[in-house]
Amino acid sequence: AQSVTQPDIHITVSEGASLELRCNYSYGATPYLFWYVQSPGQGLQLLLKYFSGDTLVQGIKGFEAEFKRSQSSFNLRKPSVHWSDAAEYFCAVGAYSNYQLIWGAGTKLIIKP
Amino acid sequence: ETGVTQTPRHLVMGMTNKKSLKCEQHLGHNAMYWYKQSAKKPLELMFVYSLEERVENNSVPSRFSPECPNSSHLFLHLHTLQPEDSALYLCASSLGTEGTGELFFGEGSRLTVL
Repeated sequence: AQSVTQPDIHITVSEGASLELRCNYSYGATPYLFWYVQSPGQGLQLLLKYFSGDTLVQGIKGFEAEFKRSQSSFNLRKPSVHWSDAAEYFCAVGAYSNYQLIWGAGTKLIIKP
Repeated sequence: ETGVTQTPRHLVMGMTNKKSLKCEQHLGHNAMYWYKQSAKKPLELMFVYSLEERVENNSVPSRFSPECPNSSHLFLHLHTLQPEDSALYLCASSLGTEGTGELFFGEGSRLTVL
């Protein structure tokens, strides 16, 4: 079955520290991979996406993600988090059509001052 | 206004009420979506419209009725809802339905069913 797993429901990180959010997927073929962010009271915004090519992709707000085919993972990273990064982060996978995206349940990022 | 706008932002209704959620996109997109977002669960796709025609209906109960009068507007009509329907309802749009994965979301309508 196709699925996306974000193992961490919550993550707490000190401001200025590095961040890694995990995403594992199960999919029949190599999918397209996405990370979205939802700030409090806001809709979701696309952070970055992977279709093909270089497995390290850069996104907005200083985020990057690395696709590892052998591990079926697409982890999101940021070298130094800011208080404004406090939000919920969603990983999604899909192919062929936008309405066939499969979503993870999200990871809530809490920033300690 | 720009982007995707949803109204109302908050709605409280009884189980016998009839209400509607409205979504408007100012991006010139051809596809619009309704998603249900519940805490600690993945987003659930409810309906998809492409060029005003419904292309996906994910086994949603008939108490939810979508309407897409044109490519800029999308409604979700609500009738005889259940308490378990309380959630954040997100509208999204995309240029088309092809797999670029870039959806533009509104801020959502928080629905509480008493």
